[in-house]
Amino acid sequence: DGGITQSPKYLFRKEGQNVTLSCEQNLNHDAMYWYRQDPGQGLRLIYYSQIVNDFQKGDIAEGYSVSREKKESFPLTVTSAQKNPTAFYLCASSIVGVGSNQPQHFGDGTRLSIL
Amino acid sequence: DAKTTQPNSMESNEEEPVHLPCNHSTISGTDYIHWYRQLPSQGPEYVIHGLTSNVNNRMASLAIAEDRKSSTLILHRATLRDAAVYYCILRIGNQGGKLIFGQGTELSVKP
Repeated sequence: DGGITQSPKYLFRKEGQNVTLSCEQNLNHDAMYWYRQDPGQGLRLIYYSQIVNDFQKGDIAEGYSVSREKKESFPLTVTSAQKNPTAFYLCASSIVGVGSNQPQHFGDGTRLSIL
Repeated sequence: DAKTTQPNSMESNEEEPVHLPCNHSTISGTDYIHWYRQLPSQGPEYVIHGLTSNVNNRMASLAIAEDRKSSTLILHRATLRDAAVYYCILRIGNQGGKLIFGQGTELSVKP
């Protein structure tokens, strides 16, 4: 079945350590997104990419980095500069349509915690 | 950023219709209205979207006010599986299509 796969489901980070969250999609979507969700809150956009080898910062990009070397993959690195990384991370993808009428498809998320 | 306002929580009885309201008074002409729902520890699921006209799909109906400053998501017969947080979102066309999530409405369904 087509969809978005995020791994791992749970991840623990030590102080000063970088960690990378994986996001893979087989929907042939051009656009991919990373969001962060804190308890009881809505999602906030970290980074997004509309085409391979190009990406833009979202609202809370500080302390994060991404790459988009392949259409199917959009990994997110949480760097040691991100002082409060404990959160639920969600990856999404969509068709790049004219206007803003294309729905986003989400993975099941990665829950990151600090040891 | 365009914002939406929703009630924090609503309650419904199983097999009854549910009307989830959303206010978006700052909406501009090219902004689409999207609805997503999220179950605990899962990613959001797309429900429906619209621009000006009312919309129906297999999951729900979307009623959009004539001035587009408010909309209502209608679940025709609530089931226990419809219990979730429902987000009303304005999709901004000139901002990479990003979704701006608010707090959402937590819907509980009583048997």
